[in-house]
Amino acid sequence: ETGVTQTPRHLVMGMTNKKSLKCEQHLGHNAMYWYKQSAKKPLELMFVYSLEERVENNSVPSRFSPECPNSSHLFLHLHTLQPEDSALYLCASSQALENTIYFGEGSWLTVV
Amino acid sequence: LAKTTQPISMDSYEGQEVNITCSHNNIATNDYITWYQQFPSQGPRFIIQGYKTKVTNEVASLFIPADRKSSTLSLPRVSLSDTAVYYCLVGDSNYQLIWGAGTKLIIKP
Repeated sequence: ETGVTQTPRHLVMGMTNKKSLKCEQHLGHNAMYWYKQSAKKPLELMFVYSLEERVENNSVPSRFSPECPNSSHLFLHLHTLQPEDSALYLCASSQALENTIYFGEGSWLTVV
Repeated sequence: LAKTTQPISMDSYEGQEVNITCSHNNIATNDYITWYQQFPSQGPRFIIQGYKTKVTNEVASLFIPADRKSSTLSLPRVSLSDTAVYYCLVGDSNYQLIWGAGTKLIIKP
């Protein structure tokens, strides 16, 4: 138990579907993140939120849309994805941007 | 590109001490050194962080020489459950760390 809970743990979706990944942190942190980890590629930072404001968007395609309704919850809305988007999507949180980052267990996404 | 270089893989045996060395020749004055552990199908888990000399916690020790161009993660008396990928990261901001491929550590009985 890491204090960062992601659902669903596994998701299979077609290229025309719309789905969402959910993340909830129980650590009282103020910053939340989405990362992508593809097979044989390093971990990549996608989005950063601090105090519910997006502070970074690392050139992520618009088919990925984040939402941070409050400091404890983070969503990643997915639509018209491509097979190459299949990966492990990791949510993380930290007390503040400069503090240690704690990861959830990830959501395995397969796009068919 | 990651700012660190570490071995792609290592093997060891249960009960041994394992040392994983990481090179970071271009480390900046404000950079910290951070290590994470990742098991298959799970998110990375923070192990230890340091700036200089030696840091120890209940899980591991981190040795950093005076020039800070390298660091060594030391895992005492490893068990099979320590089989994982270990990442060495360098940076002055935790969320802007650039991740590399890590070191795949395999512990044998």
